[in-house]
Amino acid sequence: DVQLVESGGGLVKPGGSLRLSCAASGFTFSSYTLNWVRQAPGKGLEWVSSINSVSSYIYYADSVKGRFTISRDNAKNSLYLQMDSPRAEDTAVYYCAREGLGRDGFHLDYWGQGTLVTVSS
Amino acid sequence: EIVLTQSPGTLSLSPGERATLSCRASQSVSSSYLAWYQQRPGQTPRLLIYGASSRATGIPDRFSGSGSGTDFTLTISRLEPEDFAVYYCQQYGDSPRGFTFGPGTRVDIK
Repeated sequence: DVQLVESGGGLVKPGGSLRLSCAASGFTFSSYTLNWVRQAPGKGLEWVSSINSVSSYIYYADSVKGRFTISRDNAKNSLYLQMDSPRAEDTAVYYCAREGLGRDGFHLDYWGQGTLVTVSS
Repeated sequence: EIVLTQSPGTLSLSPGERATLSCRASQSVSSSYLAWYQQRPGQTPRLLIYGASSRATGIPDRFSGSGSGTDFTLTISRLEPEDFAVYYCQQYGDSPRGFTFGPGTRVDIK
């Protein structure tokens, strides 16, 4: 079965840093584009970033560009999100999500359980 | 940037009734780029429909998607108790690259 397990969330001060991880199993990790999606408390879904299978295409939402860095290690079946200079508005549950493959692959077919990040002094 | 609008914001229905949820895009969206998700309280989002009308693996056939261009619809033919949740539509953009979600429609028990 496909599994995505996030970790690394917690309380971080504004201007600090935090690194989220997502451990994947049950599929050929190196073949898929992976994404981070977040959800502020009581709010909707917001896409954060994506990275393709070989890390050659990386995209960010404007809200995090220049502050967050997505990366992956295909040898370790792991996805990461480095959060630098977080702000209070970055407080959210962060989900790791796998992107579909192929011609109709523009969707997120598997999601992790999420990890909560709280930015507060 | 394409903006998605969902209506209604909340839908109050009884089990067994039909639910019709709307997703409207500010510009035309390729059907390949349109998906729907369900999020039950306290749970992670789950893919229901991709490519505007294809059901994801394991999704019951009471869920169906339709539409094209700027107007898309998710229909639940007969609501089951587990269907009371929030539903999000999503599109994938080429410029700028990335996913955009609608604000969601909450389906409540009447």
